Amino acid sequence: AQSVTQLGSHVSVSEGALVLLRCNYSSSVPPYLFWYVQYPNQGLQLLLKYTSAATLVKGINGFEAEFKKSETSFHLTKPSAHMSDAAEYFCAVTGVGYSTLTFGKGTMLLVSP
Amino acid sequence: DVKVTQSSRYLVKRTGEKVFLECVQDMDHENMFWYRQDPGLGLRLIYFSYDVKMKEKGDIPEGYSVSREKKERFSLILESASTNQTSMYLCASSRDNSYNSPLHFGNGTRLTVT
Repeated sequence: AQSVTQLGSHVSVSEGALVLLRCNYSSSVPPYLFWYVQYPNQGLQLLLKYTSAATLVKGINGFEAEFKKSETSFHLTKPSAHMSDAAEYFCAVTGVGYSTLTFGKGTMLLVSP
Repeated sequence: DVKVTQSSRYLVKRTGEKVFLECVQDMDHENMFWYRQDPGLGLRLIYFSYDVKMKEKGDIPEGYSVSREKKERFSLILESASTNQTSMYLCASSRDNSYNSPLHFGNGTRLTVT
């Protein structure tokens, strides 16, 4: 079985501050991990993905995530938040033998001036 | 760019009605998916399809069915709508089963059942 836990349904940061969104996974096979973002009134779009190459993955809009097998984590970070980063972020997992993605419950990022 | 188009942005239906949610993708993708999104529950997979006329149940298929008569179109059917099916419905497609093949989502249909 596979699952994803996103710690914190809401995260608030000030503009210019570090963004850290936490994701822990559980998987019985080597995982492939993804972060998606959903802006208001839109569908989800892919931010970045880990597919067993480099453990530090860079995505769009200055986001990156690091795969840490020992911690079963795939946290999303951005050094300096921008107002336009306000959105809901979803972590997702799949793996060999699995045909679909399992999503976390999402974390809403709020950015204040 | 891949475009996934959901025919309705907002839909209001009555309890007991048969409801069709339509989704079309324009990139010849093999796979298509229907999710529902509810606050605090994230995305839950209803049904998916790997090919024309093929369908597989997801995590919450009860009360739903699907149809894929053409590769580009994937329809979600609520046979008899109920108030607990009020939700945001998201359609997605992907090129194939490769792990490098990301999901492309439509903008969603917000369904209200009264």
